[in-house]
Amino acid sequence: DAGVIQSPRHEVTEMGQEVTLRCKPISGHDYLFWYRQTMMRGLELLIYFNNNVPIDDSGMPEDRFSAKMPNASFSTLKIQPSEPRDSAVYFCASSPLGIGLGYEETQYFGPGTRLLVL
Amino acid sequence: KQEVTQIPAALSVPEGENLVLNCSFTDSAIYNLQWFRQDPGKGLTSLLLIQSSQREQTSGRLNASLDKSSGRSTLYIAASQPGDSATYLCAVWDYGQNFVFGPGTRLSVLP
Repeated sequence: DAGVIQSPRHEVTEMGQEVTLRCKPISGHDYLFWYRQTMMRGLELLIYFNNNVPIDDSGMPEDRFSAKMPNASFSTLKIQPSEPRDSAVYFCASSPLGIGLGYEETQYFGPGTRLLVL
Repeated sequence: KQEVTQIPAALSVPEGENLVLNCSFTDSAIYNLQWFRQDPGKGLTSLLLIQSSQREQTSGRLNASLDKSSGRSTLYIAASQPGDSATYLCAVWDYGQNFVFGPGTRLSVLP
């Protein structure tokens, strides 16, 4: 398996523009996670999905952020409009099966998307 | 609110040394604790996952222990190598459905 795939790897945009980050999880994984990493705040969980359904989006910073998972093999994280403080590395991760159910719960991370908003 | 801390923030050791990284969490009601490695410019790599019912996990030169009651975990690296240089993060998933990372320990192993 190619692992978790994210695109683009780097994105530079201007304030106010819409940014769309994409993720392809590992085939067969039921959970998908979006994270954001900054120097000031470290790694933060933004939202996660189970079987394409958003379970917890309490980490999404504000309404400018939205995430979708239209099918089991694709998810997007959208920022509209983008602001300089959104500059960070955004990671997507996937996990095989249930949390807290005794199944394999290891998360597999993608390489991340480095976003710079000018 | 779950808080995760890691000590030390940075560590520099000569090649061959055994070393211990520490992780503490405030809420012991966790599903699991996970140790990750992060290399510059790359994503996170999961190293070890310890379920709440387990006390330790081992993978090669790595051994992670978990003392849930005291809110502590340690990652032991035996016979360190320059290739072990990276940032090591621990993270817990708790009953409140919170997945919280520590700030990480930056490790440098000198040849």
